Amino acid sequence: AQKITQTQPGMFVQEKEAVTLDCTYDTSDQSYGLFWYKQPSSGEMIFLIYQGSYDEQNATEGRYSLNFQKARKSANLVISASQLGDSAMYFCAMRGGSSYKLIFGSGTRLLVRP
Amino acid sequence: SAVISQKPSRDICQRGTSLTIQCQVDSQVTMMFWYRQQPGQSLTLIATANQGSEATYESGFVIDKFPISRPNLTFSTLTVSNMSPEDSSIYLCSVDSGTGVTDTQYFGPGTRLTVL
Repeated sequence: AQKITQTQPGMFVQEKEAVTLDCTYDTSDQSYGLFWYKQPSSGEMIFLIYQGSYDEQNATEGRYSLNFQKARKSANLVISASQLGDSAMYFCAMRGGSSYKLIFGSGTRLLVRP
Repeated sequence: SAVISQKPSRDICQRGTSLTIQCQVDSQVTMMFWYRQQPGQSLTLIATANQGSEATYESGFVIDKFPISRPNLTFSTLTVSNMSPEDSSIYLCSVDSGTGVTDTQYFGPGTRLTVL
């Protein structure tokens, strides 16, 4: 069975600093994808970044990067130069093998301080 | 990425009534998904809707409570039936960007439901 664990219920970061949100996963599938989503207070789910299990390089999208450590089964999200608008819930998710289901972690609430 | 809209964006309903949520996509997609997010919780998949076949429900969700329609490749509805306060949640629809298992899933803006 697949499982996503986010151990940080809440995080604070100072504006303009970098922050790392942790995510570990468990799966027996060889092929899988890892995703990060942002959910502002409005409730929408915004896709941020994706990492495939066979990708050798860490994914990057603007200020977002994914620190993928396959042997440790971790896929941490790094947000550089935090902005006030980054304050939101962040969810790590995965799916793999022959399953189309997206499995979500419990989320991390990030608050950016001015 | 697909552009997804949902109606209504929010609603306040009385217990015992039903609400139908609409999800519209700007391109044809094979699979559409419906999720529930209870207050302070993560997302839970309710069911998967394929055009031309009955929806596939996850454990803990039944068709009588959450009937789903998928009349074509760009539209789906989710009905929350005989509502109780425990049904107060955000309901989100989503679609896959492709047909591969590692393709990105995009979400609609969600429907925030409050049941009194």
